[in-house]
Formats: sequence, structure tokens, C-alpha cells
Amino acid sequence: EVQLVESGGGLVKPGGSLRLSCAASGFTFSRYSMNWVRQAPGKGLEWVSSLLIGSSYIYYADSVKGRFTISRDNAKNSLYLQMNSLRAEDTAVYYCARIKDQGDFDAFDIWGQGTMVTVSS
Amino acid sequence: EIVTTQSPATLSVSPGERASLSCRASQSVDRNLAWYQQKPGQAPRLLIYGASTRATGVPARFSGSGSGTEFTLTISSLQSEDFAVYYCQQYNTWPPWTFGQGTKVEI
Repeated sequence: EVQLVESGGGLVKPGGSLRLSCAASGFTFSRYSMNWVRQAPGKGLEWVSSLLIGSSYIYYADSVKGRFTISRDNAKNSLYLQMNSLRAEDTAVYYCARIKDQGDFDAFDIWGQGTMVTVSS
Repeated sequence: EIVTTQSPATLSVSPGERASLSCRASQSVDRNLAWYQQKPGQAPRLLIYGASTRATGVPARFSGSGSGTEFTLTISSLQSEDFAVYYCQQYNTWPPWTFGQGTKVEI
């Protein structure tokens, strides 16, 4: 079964750090571009970061640029998001998501169940 | 940045009725538009990509149409399990990948 499972969420104080992980299974992880998307409580979906296979580029939303770092370990079939200098507005469920068909220009076809990050004092 | 705007924000329909959801992009995205369904407490699920292609396992009552800047998701006969929030997403011009604000389909 093709699956993504996030972990690492929790409660953290403003200014703190957290590292999210996304474990992939059921497909050849190294061949796919991957993303992080978040959803604040009661709000819509917001793209956070992408790591593209085709172009080997990394992109960040302006709201997290300079604070978040996306990375992957193909040997461990895992995607990561290092989050530093966290703010209250970073409070959200964080999803990892795969871009379909081993491309960069396509929809997000597989999503994890999400991990909750709460930034509060 | 391409802005994607969905309407209406909330759509009240009865089971068995037809529902049409709209998504408008601030500039052309060709046919590089997807629709997702999200139920409470669940992750989004890909329904439609390429503006009109159903993802694997998506029932035929879901259909997508449009190109350029105007897109529609149609649910031909609403089932109880279809009551959810639907998001459109453009993947033509990035970064950023942008989502609409969502349309809630309710009874």
C-alpha cells in the first residue's frame, strides 16, 4: 500500500524548534518530488515547501523562508521539515504530500494523515 | 503569484441533487488544475487532475471541466459521503503552489 506517515508534531513555545518526519512506503520514494502543506485550525490548505526531483530545486513559501528547511533521506525513505523560530501563526496540521507520476508539474496524489504543531507559551 | 478563488464558500444541497463548484485563477493555468476533497479530521484526497481526469478510485459522478482561468467541479448526484470541503489547486506556475479557500458542501 502506498502510504505517507508524518510524525514529530507537538507543543512548542514561540521561538522554539521542531523537526517533522514523513515516512514513505509502498513506492520508490527516491523518484518522487515531495511537499509539505499545512492547515491552520478551521482554515484552508497552505503550501509550505517543495523538494523537486526533476529540477533538484527546493522552494519555500515566503511565510517560512529562512526559518524552515526541507530535506530528504532516500535511504530511509523519509522526508523532513526542520522548523526553527516558530511563531504562533505556524500552528497547524502539517501534511506531507507526493507529486504524482514522478514529475514536477502535477497534482499532489498521496497525502499523509498529518501531524499537529501547536506554538504557544 | 496566481490566486485561485472558489465560489460559493458554502453550497447547501440535498442528497441526489447536482452540485457545481467554481474555481477561478487570476491568470491562465492551462489545464494544470486539481480538485481535492477533505472530510473532517482527514487528509485531503485527490479527486481530479489535469482539470478533468479522475484520480484512481474516484466515482464517475465527479467530473471536472474548464481550462485557462475558469474551472468547474460537478457532482452529478450527491451521496451522503460527498458532504465535505472541496479545494482547487493550480500547479501550472510555481512557486507558490496555490489552493483556493475551499467550498463546503453541506446538507
